[in-house]
Amino acid sequence: QSVLTQPPSASGTPGQRVTISCSGSSSNIGSNYVYWYQQLPGTAPKLLIYRNNQRPSGVPDRFSGSKSGTSASLAISGLRSEDEADYYCAAWDDSLSGPGVFGGGTKLTVL
Amino acid sequence: QVQLQQSGPGLVKPSQTLSLTCAISGDSVSSNSAAWNWIRQSPSRGLEWLGRTYYRSKWYNDYAVSVKSRITINPDTSKNQFSLQLNSVTPEDTAVYYCARAGVRREERLQFDYWGQGTLVTVSS
Repeated sequence: QSVLTQPPSASGTPGQRVTISCSGSSSNIGSNYVYWYQQLPGTAPKLLIYRNNQRPSGVPDRFSGSKSGTSASLAISGLRSEDEADYYCAAWDDSLSGPGVFGGGTKLTVL
Repeated sequence: QVQLQQSGPGLVKPSQTLSLTCAISGDSVSSNSAAWNWIRQSPSRGLEWLGRTYYRSKWYNDYAVSVKSRITINPDTSKNQFSLQLNSVTPEDTAVYYCARAGVRREERLQFDYWGQGTLVTVSS
């Protein structure tokens, strides 16, 4: 059972906007930055969003992150077939659960 | 361009020690701005951060609570690499193990920008 809670699955059709949530607590998301990773089958995770809402160079602006209180969200607009992947949130945790914690992951299916 | 190349056995017997190495090119294990991490992934436990080592005038380590009593991460400055040792392994430790680089500053601790290729380690007799 992961410290950060994500829905196990999400789906959308091409062109749609989808959001993936990540719920935590005051010791992790509530007091630290949130990161998002995209993992394609058979590959290592790739950094998608850092410091809650920043995109590394090369990541399309279709991907955006936000944080409010003890929850965070990843939004993908203009959904494309190549966005079909697993998505993970991560945050530092200042309690005994940590220190580095990931969400359980959300499998995004593009219908 | 930073590259991380992992090496180590893919099969470890229960109760023995899992040992992996991550060779760094394009950066230094002694860098004052980088932290060198180990992360694993299994179907049952998902992605799990295991620990890190970094240098800021001296060497520091942080370890996940779940493995703190069994894990050691060591830098090797002569070979510009770092290693993972996990003692007393059980089948629960079967996973793909990754090494990864992040920053040392508070806002960069889980900002993994470069990853190794991953090593599947199976714990079985």
